[in-house]
Amino acid sequence: GEDVEQSLFLSVREGDSSVINCTYTDSSSTYLYWYKQEPGAGLQLLTYIFSNMDMKQDQRLTVLLNKKDKHLSLRIADTQTGDSAIYFCAVVSAGNTGKLIFGQGTTLQVKP
Amino acid sequence: ETGVTQTPRHLVMGMTNKKSLKCEQHLGHNAMYWYKQSAKKPLELMFVYNFKEQTENNSVPSRFSPECPNSSHLFLHLHTLQPEDSALYLCASTQNGAGLALSNEKLFFGSGTQLSVL
Repeated sequence: GEDVEQSLFLSVREGDSSVINCTYTDSSSTYLYWYKQEPGAGLQLLTYIFSNMDMKQDQRLTVLLNKKDKHLSLRIADTQTGDSAIYFCAVVSAGNTGKLIFGQGTTLQVKP
Repeated sequence: ETGVTQTPRHLVMGMTNKKSLKCEQHLGHNAMYWYKQSAKKPLELMFVYNFKEQTENNSVPSRFSPECPNSSHLFLHLHTLQPEDSALYLCASTQNGAGLALSNEKLFFGSGTQLSVL
C-alpha cells in the first residue's frame, strides 16, 4: 500500500529557514497536502499543491514537488517560535479511494 | 476554531470500562472520519462515514464501535480496551468523503481526545 515517510524531528534557530521533507511511494493524488498540528490541537490544513505543479509559494511557505522522485518538501522562511508544531505530509491513496495517507509527522522545534 | 468539536478532551479508563467519544461538526459536511494518532506513528484512518453510512472500516478491532446517527454527529464507543489503545483520537469532516482524490477538498479536524487506558 501507499507509504509516506518523514523525518521525525527538525530543530532550527528563529529567523532561519526550515525545510521539512516527505517521500511517498505511489500516488495518483491530484493534490498533496501539508497539515500543521499545534500542541493540544487537531490538525489544520496548512497548504497544498496541485500535482501538475512543481512549486507553490504562499507568503513564508514554499512547497516543492518532485514527481519523478516522489518527493515533497515544505520550506518555511524566517521561522518563528510560533511555527513550532508537528507538520504532516499527506497524499491520497492510490486508486483514488479518497483516503488520505499521512506521514508520521515532523516535529519542528524553533529555538529563540 | 475549525468547526469540529470533540469531547472529552482527555479520558482515562480501565480495561473493563465502557466509554464513548463524541464528535460534532457545525460545517454542514457530509463525511466524518475517526483517526488514531499514536506517538511517532503515521496517522491511522479508522472509520469513514459518508451521508451517515459507513464506507470504510480499516480493519479496526471490534472493541471500537462507531456510530453516526446523523451527518453532524459521530461517536466512538469503547469497551474492553487494551493499554496499546492509548492514543489521541481525532475526528475530522469533509464536505464529501469521496471528493478528496479529485479536488482540493480539505479535512477539518477536531482537537482530539487524548485517551489513556490503564
